[in-house]
Amino acid sequence: AQSVTQPDIHITVSEGASLELRCNYSYGATPYLFWYVQSPGQGLQLLLKYFSGDTLVQGIKGFEAEFKRSQSSFNLRKPSVHWSDAAEYFCAVGPSSGNTGKLIFGQGTTLQVKP
Amino acid sequence: GAVVSQHPSRVICKSGTSVKIECRSLDFQATTMFWYRQFPKQSLMLMATSNEGSKATYEQGVEKDKFLINHASLTLSTLTVTSAHPEDSSFYICSARDRRGPGTEAFFGQGTRLTVV
Repeated sequence: AQSVTQPDIHITVSEGASLELRCNYSYGATPYLFWYVQSPGQGLQLLLKYFSGDTLVQGIKGFEAEFKRSQSSFNLRKPSVHWSDAAEYFCAVGPSSGNTGKLIFGQGTTLQVKP
Repeated sequence: GAVVSQHPSRVICKSGTSVKIECRSLDFQATTMFWYRQFPKQSLMLMATSNEGSKATYEQGVEKDKFLINHASLTLSTLTVTSAHPEDSSFYICSARDRRGPGTEAFFGQGTRLTVV
């Protein structure tokens, strides 16, 4: 079965500290991988995506993610967290051919940033 | 970048009435649009895939007579929640995929908060 797991439901970090949000997936073929951020009551903003090529992907707002095929993981990282990063983060996977755009989302990780 | 506009952003309706939500791709053509539903503090669940000029494909467990989807043009898909009830209250988000080719991502609208009273 296709699925996305974000093991951490809630994470609290201090402002300026580093951050890593975990994402593991189960998919029949190599998928397209995404990280989105959602502020309360808002839609989704794409942070970064992996389609192919370099497995370390740079995104907006200083985020990066690394695709590890052997571990079926796509963890999101940021070296220094800002208070404005507090939000809900979703990892998602989708097919790399055919109906791309049809995504399966993880359960989400709520990030809280302490001053 | 590609922009997807969803309207309304927030709607309150009475139980038993119908509500229409629009999803528009503003600067690209979308042969495929997707409708998701998000319950409070939960993830997004795909409801249906909307294909321009043909019937929508619904995910298992989604009532197609309850959630009517129309994709009449390359830039517009609508979701109508018919005979809405309080349990239909949720956050509905659409996304649209650029028709220009395989391997392109879908872009999300800002979502619609539906409250049925």
